[in-house]
Amino acid sequence: RKEVEQDPGPFNVPEGATVAFNCTYSNSASQSFFWYRQDCRKEPKLLMSVYSSGNEDGRFTAQLNRASQYISLLIRDSKLSDSATYLCVVGRRALTFGSGTRLQVQP
Amino acid sequence: DVKVTQSSRYLVKRTGEKVFLECVQDMDHENMFWYRQDPGLGLRLIYFSYDVKMKEKGDIPEGYSVSREKKERFSLILESASTNQTSMYLCASSDTRGQGYEQYFGPGTRLTVT
Repeated sequence: RKEVEQDPGPFNVPEGATVAFNCTYSNSASQSFFWYRQDCRKEPKLLMSVYSSGNEDGRFTAQLNRASQYISLLIRDSKLSDSATYLCVVGRRALTFGSGTRLQVQP
Repeated sequence: DVKVTQSSRYLVKRTGEKVFLECVQDMDHENMFWYRQDPGLGLRLIYFSYDVKMKEKGDIPEGYSVSREKKERFSLILESASTNQTSMYLCASSDTRGQGYEQYFGPGTRLTVT
């Protein structure tokens, strides 16, 4: 079983749609949780941290359920510029990256 | 802003050559990491370091070594390059002083071994 599992997609959605990504992790001792965004042939960039209380940054909302070992990312009002691969990331000082979910927002 | 730089964006080497990939960060981060990224396999951790002169093996250390002589610099060495080491190599750094351990990445080095 992979340490961090994500649906690879691709998710093809129209502009303005709401899209949700899910991720499960296996190591219950994990303390740090993030979503990263990676554009084609570029390095991953931190999108947001994820907390048990949930957190929101504009159109993006992330949730963590420690009991179920489950993380989610919700993107509202999708833009063309949101097209990218979204990586679920879990760990302590060393992080484990999921393989990513590809999002393609269509005009 | 955190800045992580890598010595080359693209590199072509021959089988058997010794290859050095350099990474420098300017934010006084304690932790530094080397990953490789391949299609369908995601990011895989090769080696990491939590302090100068210190190194730890990641998930796929075979065929690689590292050096951390200064806090800001972390080098990845391919002792004898092989074609299966053709990949994108990404360096990252993180800080222990904050709440989380978010990592900041360099732009990557796309290495081709022929």
